[in-house]
Amino acid sequence: DTGVSQDPRHKITKRGQNVTFRCDPISEHNRLYWYRQTLGQGPEFLTYFQNEAQLEKSRLLSDRFSAERPKGSFSTLEIQRTEQGDSAMYLCASSMGQEYQPQHFGDGTRLSIL
Amino acid sequence: AQSVSQHNHHVILSEAASLELGCNYSYGGTVNLFWYVQYPGQHLQLLLKYFSGDPLVKGIKGFEAEFIKSKFSFNLRKPSVQWSDTAEYFCAVTNNAGKSTFGDGTTLTVKP
Repeated sequence: DTGVSQDPRHKITKRGQNVTFRCDPISEHNRLYWYRQTLGQGPEFLTYFQNEAQLEKSRLLSDRFSAERPKGSFSTLEIQRTEQGDSAMYLCASSMGQEYQPQHFGDGTRLSIL
Repeated sequence: AQSVSQHNHHVILSEAASLELGCNYSYGGTVNLFWYVQYPGQHLQLLLKYFSGDPLVKGIKGFEAEFIKSKFSFNLRKPSVQWSDTAEYFCAVTNNAGKSTFGDGTTLTVKP
């Protein structure tokens, strides 16, 4: 178990720029989740994949956010035209394919918008 | 809508004190319940989970939680805390569509 890996660990960018984050899940896990977490809050669900299929997407996710998992392995989360309010920790988690299976979290990518 | 409420934002205890952290959820269907812990400088990790069977579940490091369906609660307990239990604790529910909702967390500080 090599754990969930996220890259980069930190990203600083100017407002209006596009950013992309990568997540490599645990290899045998077919579910992959993305969350956003701000200070004093719990992880906020953004979306999840079962293999390459995006099965659920938060209504809070605006059109500026998109996620892909093209081959059912790693995933990318892209934010277009970043805004100040996008500053947060972006967490990725993976799990086996049932809802009762626990999620294994990465260390997150901290996004700071200047 | 699915939601999770954790009653205590910050709890401060002395070593050997007993701990109970409250968690209530709102969802009309079947849920799978989890407690996760985040130690300082580390990522979130599973403490314990419930999805069926005995409503009293035991987790790592002496933690346990009781699912009370009638109260929509899943409170976390530990009879005697240690300094090393200082961490942030999150209650979470996952519904059968796979959507997960987390509470806002409880920061536990244990004084030696």
